[in-house]
Amino acid sequence: EDQVTQSPEALRLQEGESSSLNCSYTVSGLRGLFWYRQDPGKGPEFLFTLYSAGEEKEKERLKATLTKKESFLHITAPKPEDSATYLCAVQAGAAGNKLTFGGGTRVLVKP
Amino acid sequence: EPEVTQTPSHQVTQMGQEVILRCVPISNHLYFYWYRQILGQKVEFLVSFYNNEISEKSEIFDDQFSVERPDGSNFTLKIRSTKLEDSAMYFCASAWAGTDGRVSGNSYEQYFGPGTRLTVT
Repeated sequence: EDQVTQSPEALRLQEGESSSLNCSYTVSGLRGLFWYRQDPGKGPEFLFTLYSAGEEKEKERLKATLTKKESFLHITAPKPEDSATYLCAVQAGAAGNKLTFGGGTRVLVKP
Repeated sequence: EPEVTQTPSHQVTQMGQEVILRCVPISNHLYFYWYRQILGQKVEFLVSFYNNEISEKSEIFDDQFSVERPDGSNFTLKIRSTKLEDSAMYFCASAWAGTDGRVSGNSYEQYFGPGTRLTVT
């Protein structure tokens, strides 16, 4: 069974204080790893897809990286508007497109 | 920018009643999904739908649940005889699968709607 674990569960940052979120996964045949942002009471908002170890993607203050066992979401010089829950999800196996989600990391950026 | 829409935003129902949650996926997408998120828990996959049939479903998706694409734009989730434990946020998602719809083995980016909060009393 595919497993996705995110750490830490919660992160409090001062504005401008860079940090990293971790997503470790155990799957059979990774086909893609996804990062989403979720604001309270809203649906997950797509951020990145990573397909293979060594791949990196960036969007504004966010940078996602992937190894064979884990992915990191680096937040550089965060602003209060970066406060959200960040979700990691995987697609794996020979067929099927379901996403298996981790529990998320709640990020609070204080001004 | 195209987006997935869901109605209603909040549905309150009594235990044992039937509810229908509605979704309008992004127009050129061919894969459709339902997920749910119980308060404080992970987002969980329920079902995927492609080419007018279920392509995959989870253990949660039992006979109580059904999905339908009644026309070219809507995608619905029906929950029969709701239970207290069905209270959750239900998210619809859709993904593009290429111009000819073939599954290439790549992962398709799923775009989520804003969700319907279902409260069963």
